[in-house]
Amino acid sequence: DQQVKQNSPSLSVQEGRISILNCDYTNSMFDYFLWYKKYPAEGPTFLISISSIKDKNEDGRFTVFLNKSAKHLSLHIVPSQPGDSAVYFCAASAKVTGKLIFGQGTTLQVKP
Amino acid sequence: ETGVTQSPTHLIKTRGQQVTLRCSSQSGHNTVSWYQQALGQGPQFIFQYYREEENGRGNFPPRFSGLQFPNYSSELNVNALELDDSALYLCASQQGGENIQYFGAGTRLSVL
Repeated sequence: DQQVKQNSPSLSVQEGRISILNCDYTNSMFDYFLWYKKYPAEGPTFLISISSIKDKNEDGRFTVFLNKSAKHLSLHIVPSQPGDSAVYFCAASAKVTGKLIFGQGTTLQVKP
Repeated sequence: ETGVTQSPTHLIKTRGQQVTLRCSSQSGHNTVSWYQQALGQGPQFIFQYYREEENGRGNFPPRFSGLQFPNYSSELNVNALELDDSALYLCASQQGGENIQYFGAGTRLSVL
């Protein structure tokens, strides 16, 4: 039972354009959502997060949007840079359990 | 402030053997979680330790066990290794009550 899904295994965008990565979840108990970026041979690096009481959180070039009614969140990267090329994981947690449930990841390639 | 460190970085074992993986949590963090990441998948939660006590467990058999020490470092032990245990094992630390987990670079385990 995949509670967190990233349906696009890969995404390719041109440098300077917007990258939009999507994530869907099924468990309504999730109350905190995170995005991690992972380069080969490194561990996941925390990027940005959002609490379920908000619908938007912004940090520099990165913005996360949460649509609770649709159980959907998205990460926007504007403008995209070649250094953003990595695997992006969406993760969700419920305060009561504390564990992170991850999606399968989306590989982003930003072309110069 | 030191980040999360894991050792060893790579390990090769044979089926039926036992393995111990180690993790030093980020300074000031009292909670450690372990995840298994198979190729092409997102990390899967194994268990979490808070102040030396197990604080939640994922869907892994009892041959996966752990410890947390008074300095909040942690070990993951796997007995009777199986071929399917080949994966990247990630350790993450957080301050109790906080939502963001910070990951180490992982230990790549190969079971032959």
